[in-house]
Amino acid sequence: EAGVVQSPRYKIIEKKQPVAFWCNPISGHNTLYWYRQNLGQGPELLIRYENEEAVDDSQLPKDRFSAERLKGVDSTLKIQPAELGDSAVYLCASSLERQFFASTDTQYFGPGTRLTVL
Amino acid sequence: AQSVTQLDSHVSVSEGTPVLLRCNYSSSYSPSLFWYVQHPNKGLQLLLKYTSAATLVKGINGFEAEFKKSETSFHLTKPSAHMSDAAEYFCVVSGSGGYQKVTFGIGTKLQVIP
Repeated sequence: EAGVVQSPRYKIIEKKQPVAFWCNPISGHNTLYWYRQNLGQGPELLIRYENEEAVDDSQLPKDRFSAERLKGVDSTLKIQPAELGDSAVYLCASSLERQFFASTDTQYFGPGTRLTVL
Repeated sequence: AQSVTQLDSHVSVSEGTPVLLRCNYSSSYSPSLFWYVQHPNKGLQLLLKYTSAATLVKGINGFEAEFKKSETSFHLTKPSAHMSDAAEYFCVVSGSGGYQKVTFGIGTKLQVIP
């Protein structure tokens, strides 16, 4: 079974440029998460999808960040424009939650996208 | 509101000696608790999880953790450290009842000395 796929693995951009990250979750997983992990910190949840619905985007900086999960499968996270402080690893995870809004099942993480903003 | 505190940012042990990584949590509801491991340049992987069943949870690679509600703790232990255990470990809490937010600790970096 293929794991969570993310691309690109690395991205270097100038500040004020746009950037997009793509995630393909494990087949059949209904829940998808985007996290940001700053150096020396734990992952911080940005947004969580249940199928195609964003059920928690309270930590997503909505002035510059956007996300979508069309058809409840693949997801894209976008930053426009990027700022120096956005340099981090962006992680995607998926899980098969048996209860709506639950977070009791294992999250499977992708390898992440390391973003460097110059 | 919920939070998780990993009490040590770095832990160093000799190979073959016990490992103890400490985690305390705060949650308004009965939480689910997890430990994830992150090896250098690899993705996060689940070690074990507690979801209101047995309070002593066994995970992969000989790790186990005990849920102690009275102490609001979920410490991770292993009887004998192996070189391959060197990694970063994250304690995670997910509150139950209503919407379950997921909160990661800041991580504990485990060093294993040969």
